[in-house]
Amino acid sequence: EAGVAQSPRYKIIEKRQSVAFWCNPISGHATLYWYQQILGQGPKLLIQFQNNGVVDDSQLPKDRFSAERLKGVDSTLKIQPAKLEDSAVYLCASSLARYSGNTIYFGEGSWLTVV
Amino acid sequence: KQEVTQIPAALSVPEGENLVLNCSFTDSAIYNLQWFRQDPGKGLTSLLLIQSSQREQTSGRLNASLDKSSGRSTLYIAASQPGDSATYLCAVRPDSGAGSYQLTFGKGTKLSVIP
Repeated sequence: EAGVAQSPRYKIIEKRQSVAFWCNPISGHATLYWYQQILGQGPKLLIQFQNNGVVDDSQLPKDRFSAERLKGVDSTLKIQPAKLEDSAVYLCASSLARYSGNTIYFGEGSWLTVV
Repeated sequence: KQEVTQIPAALSVPEGENLVLNCSFTDSAIYNLQWFRQDPGKGLTSLLLIQSSQREQTSGRLNASLDKSSGRSTLYIAASQPGDSATYLCAVRPDSGAGSYQLTFGKGTKLSVIP
């Protein structure tokens, strides 16, 4: 079974530039998550989708971050304009369903450095 | 607000030793608790998931226990190997019924197993 795919794996940009990350979840997984992990910290949820609808985006900095999941499969996370404090790993994850006790599966992450 | 603490932050042991990693959480109203492993430059791999009604889960040399009422979980690793070297994170999901699958993570314990 293929895992959660993310691209690009690494990105270096200057502050105030924009960047976009792509995620393809495990086939059949209805729920998709984007987490931000700053070095030395645990991951923090940015946004959760159930199919193509947003379930929780309470911790997403909406003035600069946006995300979409068209057709309920792939998802894109965009940052515009980037700040130095956005340097982190952006982890995409998926699970079968929101209300089940199913395990959540993570991709390898997209590493962002803002200089 | 749920807070998850992992002690110690780092641990170094000789190969073959048995070891215990600790995780504590402040709000006992959890749906489940999950232990993850993170290798350098990689995403998170789920190791064990314990539902709130369970006391423990086992997988190979790993055993995770949950004491929900006291807000504690332990991950026991038997006969440690150099390949076990990684950062181990625990995460709890709130028992909020219709709420999101917003896992709250600890900062992790970085384990080094010395050959």
